Amino acid sequence: EPEVTQTPSHQVTQMGQEVILRCVPISNHLYFYWYRQILGQKVEFLVSFYNNEISEKSEIFDDQFSVERPDGSNFTLKIRSTKLEDSAMYFCASSISNAILTFGSGTRLTVV
Amino acid sequence: KQEVTQIPAALSVPEGENLVLNCSFTDSAIYNLQWFRQDPGKGLTSLLLIQSSQREQTSGRLNASLDKSSGRSTLYIAASQPGDSATYLCAVPPTSGTYKYIFGTGTRLKVLA
Repeated sequence: EPEVTQTPSHQVTQMGQEVILRCVPISNHLYFYWYRQILGQKVEFLVSFYNNEISEKSEIFDDQFSVERPDGSNFTLKIRSTKLEDSAMYFCASSISNAILTFGSGTRLTVV
Repeated sequence: KQEVTQIPAALSVPEGENLVLNCSFTDSAIYNLQWFRQDPGKGLTSLLLIQSSQREQTSGRLNASLDKSSGRSTLYIAASQPGDSATYLCAVPPTSGTYKYIFGTGTRLKVLA
């Protein structure tokens, strides 16, 4: 069964450092998303991406965040200067339409 | 602003029991509703998607119903098994054309052998 693949599974980074989280969506999917889940809290929407541009973003997705689909297969989330409160599980998802989302297994980001 | 609430927050049942998980939402103008399963430290697995025009969906031992007018959905799990132990999340996109799913807090289910 097709999967959304996320790497790394766990990333530890120093506060203020840049971090890039990587995702390989399902190959025929057209819509891509990033969500995050701070420990013990709800899953929160960050951003959606379609046709090589951001289609929607939340108030969490400020100038420190950016997304890119550099080569037609990878979909990345970059955090420019990490803060302690960026520590969370980050989930990538993709869909063939804006209906059923297929999620990856997540990257646990720990900012120290 | 759409709010999604799930009760109970946690549930522990003996194997074999039928159980109901509840999801409520404040704005009935939803496009669809999706139920997910989350295993500890893992991603989210889509279980069932109910379109706003539907009243229920079934997959194996799972049945999800949707009552838009009352802002409620239920997930019914028949003959529960220890392998069903996980957190169950419901999520709604506020309106058609948005990708911004709003998630509930989840119900943490433990099925005892």
